[in-house]
Amino acid sequence: DIVMTQTPLPSPVTLGQPASISCRSSESLVHSGGDTYLNWLQQRPGQPPRLLIYKISNRFSGVPDRFSGSGAGTDFTLKISRVEPEDVGIYYCAQATQFPLTFGGGTKLEIK
Amino acid sequence: EVQLLESGGDLVQPGGSLRLSCVASGFTFSSYAMNWVRQAPGKGLEWVSSISSSGGDTYYADSVKGRFTISRDNSKNTLFLQLNSLRVEDTAVYYCVKDWSIWFGVTWGQGTLVTVSS
Repeated sequence: DIVMTQTPLPSPVTLGQPASISCRSSESLVHSGGDTYLNWLQQRPGQPPRLLIYKISNRFSGVPDRFSGSGAGTDFTLKISRVEPEDVGIYYCAQATQFPLTFGGGTKLEIK
Repeated sequence: EVQLLESGGDLVQPGGSLRLSCVASGFTFSSYAMNWVRQAPGKGLEWVSSISSSGGDTYYADSVKGRFTISRDNSKNTLFLQLNSLRVEDTAVYYCVKDWSIWFGVTWGQGTLVTVSS
């Protein structure tokens, strides 16, 4: 099984400052077809998760451009250029390259 | 608007059974793979099971294999999860999730709570 490991944020993050969340996979997420199925999800308090970024770096519809994704192979990063109050929540990376599908343990974003 | 609406969650004793349903709307259900993902209270996300658009291919987490069964009725735009031999550790909110591969996680339902306790 592919293990996804996320690093904690130095909490809390100052409003308007950048934040960066790392995610590492135990093996390459490059699919046999050439794509890398690494997505980022945001879960606000009391809400179901929602898709932010798909295929490493593509923002989903309606996601503010302060969110960006990068990385390759086994190392990936979600960046928020300027943290806003509505960004509070838990962020998960998820791999869909192979079954079993797996998630990172989540990174909590708190704002001061 | 794409929507997923789960139902069927309940309080059940260890060893009991439940059937969860997820009714889809706003998209051509029969064209998409579907998934169940769960979240234990205060914990992270755990993938449970996936099913291809036709229902011909199914996948399960080791933790539920042999106890849970995923299925779908494309004529009724409905996804199911049959939960048997339930354990305390199966207690969680169960989410219905649209699609896999590139689009894994594109749409989530609000979830349905399964509580396994004596």
